[in-house]
Amino acid sequence: QQPVQSPQAVILREGEDAVINCSSSKALYSVHWYRQKHGEAPVFLMILLKGGEQKGHEKISASFNEKKQQSSLYLTASQLSYSGTYFCGSPITTSGTYKYIFGTGTRLKVLA
Amino acid sequence: DAGVIQSPRHEVTEMGQEVTLRCKPISGHDYLFWYRQTMMRGLELLIYFNNNVPIDDSGMPEDRFSAKMPNASFSTLKIQPSEPRDSAVYFCATWGAGGYTFGSGTRLTVV
Repeated sequence: QQPVQSPQAVILREGEDAVINCSSSKALYSVHWYRQKHGEAPVFLMILLKGGEQKGHEKISASFNEKKQQSSLYLTASQLSYSGTYFCGSPITTSGTYKYIFGTGTRLKVLA
Repeated sequence: DAGVIQSPRHEVTEMGQEVTLRCKPISGHDYLFWYRQTMMRGLELLIYFNNNVPIDDSGMPEDRFSAKMPNASFSTLKIQPSEPRDSAVYFCATWGAGGYTFGSGTRLTVV
């Protein structure tokens, strides 16, 4: 039930672009994106609620497809500070119980 | 706002000892979550509270784990007795208008 992220890892040069995907076998209520640097806590980036939604800043943005089963995070003109592990996450309900699940994670390394 | 405050930042304890992790949430955030992160299992939700009431503790691994939220400004996660496999980083997080905010975490090492 855990969303699968792809790629598992990516190495970029500064200024290059990257796309990180998060795929679920079932429709998600919403999708949240986080970045975690080594040894630090995850930092919330953004939330997408609606199918077909796109949001974000100029250099970091995300989309949520119409079926709400896939989300993509777009990193444009990457900077060294973008390095870290990116997670998608979503609340789900199982037998009427709320749970929160994280994706498998994508390690991103930006090189100078 | 000081954010979500966790203490201690690091804890090293011997197997069998009781460990208490503490969390001060952001004022006004009605939801509080306890997570555990390890290399093997990634981030796992242990328990969450809404308005100080435990809603779902199905992620708590064993009866050795317990969590309380006596008021809106304080929560604890207790492990008794601790075991080496409990070694992990434990995060407290709260949910509010700005999304999720994680505390800095407590790195627990049980030897």
